[in-house]
Order: sequence, then structure tokens, then C-alpha cells
Amino acid sequence: KQEVTQIPAALSVPEGENLVLNCSFTDSAIYNLQWFRQDPGKGLTSLLLIQSSQREQTSGRLNASLDKSSGRSTLYIAASQPGDSATYLCAVREGAQKLVFGQGTRLTINP
Amino acid sequence: SAVISQKPSRDICQRGTSLTIQCQVDSQVTMMFWYRQQPGQSLTLIATANQGSEATYESGFVIDKFPISRPNLTFSTLTVSNMSPEDSSIYLCSAREGAYNSPLHFGNGTRLTVT
Repeated sequence: KQEVTQIPAALSVPEGENLVLNCSFTDSAIYNLQWFRQDPGKGLTSLLLIQSSQREQTSGRLNASLDKSSGRSTLYIAASQPGDSATYLCAVREGAQKLVFGQGTRLTINP
Repeated sequence: SAVISQKPSRDICQRGTSLTIQCQVDSQVTMMFWYRQQPGQSLTLIATANQGSEATYESGFVIDKFPISRPNLTFSTLTVSNMSPEDSSIYLCSAREGAYNSPLHFGNGTRLTVT
């Protein structure tokens, strides 16, 4: 059974810092991995999607990497801003349709 | 990317009643899904909403408790039946627009509290 773990569960950093969020998964037989952002009381916003054949994807200040063989992904956020404060979720897609989510990292950027 | 609208955005319901949540997508999508996020937990897939046929439920979820409709390629409903306080969660609709490996997009969710 696929299990997705995100470390740390919570992170608080001052504005302007670069930071890394970690995601690990137990079964490397995945189709892709997707990073999401969730603001309090809201739905999920898709940030980046990495296919199983890819190593990384970039969007603006965000960069996500994937090492399928070791079951790891990282989300790098450059020059963090208070507006980046949210919960970040990673999810791996296995089988036909199912996404398996991690518990998320609650990120706080302090002005 | 597809814009997904859910309503209601929140509701407080009494135990034993049922609530139907609507999900509308602004474009035709190939796949629609319903997820549940219990307090302090991550998301769990309830079912895949199949257009014109019965939904496909994940282990632990049954049609009698969570009947789902999908009459066309842009709309789906999820009903939470005979509710109990344990059903208090955020329910999220999601959709995949195109190819098999395209990203999944979510609505803003419905926050349900059962008293």
C-alpha cells in the first residue's frame, strides 16, 4: 500500500529565505507526482506536476524535483514571501486514477 | 485550466439528514472525482464519478452512504446520506481535463459540520 510522508509537518521561516519541503513515498511505481497548495478553509491549487520520466519542473519561484528510484520529491521555494504561507501537499498518482496524498507541510513566512 | 465551482461552500446539518453537494466545471472534462478531508487529515478519494454510469467507489466508501451522479461531462453531485458527526469534513470535487497524465484540479470544497 502506497504511503506518502511529508517532512516537516510545520515550518516557520523569515521572509526572503529559500526553503525546501520534502515528500517521500514507499512505492516507486508511480505515474506522476503533483504538488498542491491549500489555503485555510479553501480547496487545493495545483502548483507543479512531474511525470515519472521527469526529474524536475519549474514555475516561477518554485522548483520541484523527483527521484523516483529513491521515492523522494522536494519542493524548493526561492525568496519566500508572506503570501507563500499555506499548507503544501504532495500527491502521487498510482494506478488508473487514484492520487495518494501526504499529510502536508504547514508553512508560515514571517514578515 | 478548468475552473471548478462547488456549492454549498459550507453547511451545518443535523444528524440523520442528507446533503447534496454540486460540482460544476467550466469545460468538459474526462474525469471527475470526489475526495474527503477529515479534520487535521489529508485527502482521501471517495469515488470516481463516471459519466452516464455508476460511480467507482474506493475501499471503505459505499454507494448507499455517498451516492454520486454525473449526468454530463461538466457536472457531478455527491450526496452525504444519513449524516453523523463523523461525516464532518471538507468534501472536494476534482477534475482532470485531458490526457491520462494531465494534472488534477480541485474546487474550493464544501465544509460540512454535522451536529
